[in-house]
Amino acid sequence: EIVMTQSPATLSVSPGERATLSCRASQSVSSNLAWYQQKPGQAPRLLIYGASTRATGIPARFSGSGSGTEFTLTISSLQSEDFAVYYCQQYNNWLPAFGQGTKVEIK
Amino acid sequence: QVQLQESGPGLVKPSQTLSLTCTVSGGSISSGSYYWSWIRQPAGKGLEWIGRIYTSGSTNYNPSLKSRVTISVDTSKNQFSLKLSSVTAADTAVYYCARSIAGAQFDPWGQGTLVTVSS
Repeated sequence: EIVMTQSPATLSVSPGERATLSCRASQSVSSNLAWYQQKPGQAPRLLIYGASTRATGIPARFSGSGSGTEFTLTISSLQSEDFAVYYCQQYNNWLPAFGQGTKVEIK
Repeated sequence: QVQLQESGPGLVKPSQTLSLTCTVSGGSISSGSYYWSWIRQPAGKGLEWIGRIYTSGSTNYNPSLKSRVTISVDTSKNQFSLKLSSVTAADTAVYYCARSIAGAQFDPWGQGTLVTVSS
């Protein structure tokens, strides 16, 4: 079983600033990693797949990087609608696994 | 554009079986190399993958739940279903259905349905 660990648990950022979220896998997942955004009362929304490919309709301020065991989601200039919880998820093997989430809150 | 919608009882008694259905609209559940999954999220907590079914009917389940889970598909109704037996309060969660291509990222998701286990 692959364990996904996200850090930090909470990130306090001012609007317009850059946010950097981390995700670590307990073993290599190659580039088989996705990022999701979840707002209160809503289902998760796919942001990034293949570690760095933006999903349809996702703004360019969202970018993903990394491979193997270390991954990063960067939001270049936080907008009010970006304050949410972000999850990473690996799909390198048959048992998908999510990280515990990073909450991005207004500073 | 494919959309998914969960349905089923919002309240289940302990020791009983939780049953949910996901209806797929905007596309055929049988087309393409898609897996159809169930994922759950207890209040204030993270996401847990429950299991999935392929268009051929083959299934994979999370080992932590495997002994209690059954996922099936009804292609004539464009639906797939979840049954979770012997539920306890720990199974209280929002349950989502979602599609993945070749077992990869999940997109789209249903809106989710809250299931509470209580007597």
